[in-house]
Amino acid sequence: DTAVSQTPKYLVTQMGNDKSIKCEQNLGHDTMYWYKQDSKKFLKIMFSYNNKELIINETVPNRFSPKSPDKAHLNLHINSLELGDSAVYFCASRQGGNSPLHFGNGTRLTVT
Amino acid sequence: GIQVEQSPPDLILQEGANSTLRCNFSDSVNNLQWFHQNPWGQLINLFYIPSGTKQNGRLSATTVATERYSLLYISSSQTTDSGVYFCAVDSSGGYNKLIFGAGTRLAVHP
Repeated sequence: DTAVSQTPKYLVTQMGNDKSIKCEQNLGHDTMYWYKQDSKKFLKIMFSYNNKELIINETVPNRFSPKSPDKAHLNLHINSLELGDSAVYFCASRQGGNSPLHFGNGTRLTVT
Repeated sequence: GIQVEQSPPDLILQEGANSTLRCNFSDSVNNLQWFHQNPWGQLINLFYIPSGTKQNGRLSATTVATERYSLLYISSSQTTDSGVYFCAVDSSGGYNKLIFGAGTRLAVHP
């Protein structure tokens, strides 16, 4: 069983479109995250949710809107996609602050 | 915020060699993890090690929290060890977010 699963694995779209990435975890964790990995492999936190409540928003453009329908799911919707949004987006989860973070396999977004 | 520095940035090894990767951080931490990003892009948990020493097969890690550094040891390296190794920390400030270093890119040649 996959612990943290993201869909889709690849996403190719044109500038201006709106797209969503879905994430689900079956670990029973209460905190979920979105990270962005740029072309230089640098990983940066975007958002964090704890029990469906937004607790971290790292000055991400408001074209990015996370949504957590329940504590096992955290989706990422992106409006009006730009070339600079091309990256790999990782979902992750953990049980509280002092515990290991578990990542999904990533979604490679390419905006043309 | 907390700064995380990893060294060396790049490392090339012959199969069978040993290596040590270093992670320095600028503040006290609640959490420190080492990850391996394989050539397929997956981020694999290696160690959750806010302090002390752990071993898993050919890999081991040591964190000296009072001196603000952690070391990852790879012994008898294999080509499958290639990829990027990341250190990530949570500061003790309670911000509940893992901050990543820039990574060490390791290439192991046969």
